[in-house]
Parts: sequence; structure tokens; C-alpha cells
Amino acid sequence: NAGVTQTPKFRVLKTGQSMTLLCAQDMNHEYMYWYRQDPGMGLRLIHYSVGEGTTAKGEVPDGYNVSRLKKQNFLLGLESAAPSQTSVYFCASSTAWTQYFGPGTRLLVL
Amino acid sequence: AQSVSQHNHHVILSEAASLELGCNYSYGGTVNLFWYVQYPGQHLQLLLKYFSGDPLVKGIKGFEAEFIKSKFSFNLRKPSVQWSDTAEYFCAVGDSGTYKYIFGTGTRLKVLA
Repeated sequence: NAGVTQTPKFRVLKTGQSMTLLCAQDMNHEYMYWYRQDPGMGLRLIHYSVGEGTTAKGEVPDGYNVSRLKKQNFLLGLESAAPSQTSVYFCASSTAWTQYFGPGTRLLVL
Repeated sequence: AQSVSQHNHHVILSEAASLELGCNYSYGGTVNLFWYVQYPGQHLQLLLKYFSGDPLVKGIKGFEAEFIKSKFSFNLRKPSVQWSDTAEYFCAVGDSGTYKYIFGTGTRLKVLA
């Protein structure tokens, strides 16, 4: 049981480039979440999903898109990266209240 | 608006000292409260949670938290900290229905050996 995995672990982008972060869970969880973690700001919810094929906006959705085509995967896309999107991105999944977090993706946008 | 406040951003303690980290929330619905911990280089993991009932909840690794409704608080405590408790601690309030969290800004705890 791998739990929640995230790909890639680290990435450097230039301003304007695009990329997709992949989150995968093998626990058959309905709910999945994407957060960003910035110093002094804690974790902020970007987007979330309450089931396959559904997505919704969180606190800080601007500049990001998501898709949940398969129950086990939750993709986070940056269409045109900006330096303000430099952050650590965490994915989480849950069946109910306890969220299980992935190891994070460190993204640097130059 | 829903929010969670953690007023202690950095705390430094010596081993065996007692710990109390503050958490205050503002939330209009049914309150579901959590504390998560992030050890250096690791991902977040659940310490404890409160939904209802006994306002004093016990979690893993000797941590406990007390829900005080009149103060809108859910403070985390540990009677005697260890060097291995060095980590960042996050308080969160959960939204019924979507199970999404609103996190506080976190408190970095450093325990000196």
C-alpha cells in the first residue's frame, strides 16, 4: 500500500511554462485535495474533488486547473507558471474526516 | 468568514518542558477540529481530532487538546516534550459535507536536547 504518491518530487519551471502535477492514491478514497504550503501561511486549499469526475475551487484556485478523470488520480495543472506559484504542493485524500497526505512536490518558478 | 488562528509562530522549549500551542477558530457551522504535525522532511500526519463529546481529546505520542467552546479554542498540549517533537504543528477546522479543511498558519516547535 503506497498511500498517496506525488509526481514529480521537484521541478524548476520558467515563467510562462506549463506543467501537470500528478497525485495518485491506492486507498479507494472518494475525496481528494490539492494544497500549497508557503512559509508563514500554512496550507491553503487550491482545489478539491468529492468524487470521480467532480472538482471544486478552494481558497486559492486562480492560475490552477484540476481534473479527476479516474478515482485514484487527481491532476493539478499550471497553464502559465508565475513566480508567485513557487511553493510546495501537497495532495491529500480521504474517505471522510482524516486526510492522508502525500510527500509533496517542490516547485520553483524562475 | 471561516478562519483558524495560531498565534505562536515559533516556539523553542527544552526537553521535559510542558507545551501548549494555541488555536482559535471562527466557523459558523458544526465544529470539527484537528491537529496535524509535519516532522522535518516528512508529510503531514494526524495527531488528534475532535467532533463532539468529551472536550479533552487524546492523540498519538502523548498529545492532547482541549476544546473550549466559549473561547473558540482548541489548544494542543503535551506535559513533557522530547527532542523528537521538533516539528511544525497545524490546527485545522473541517467543513461538514466536503471534509475539506481550513488550516492555521502553523507553529514551528523546536525542542532543545
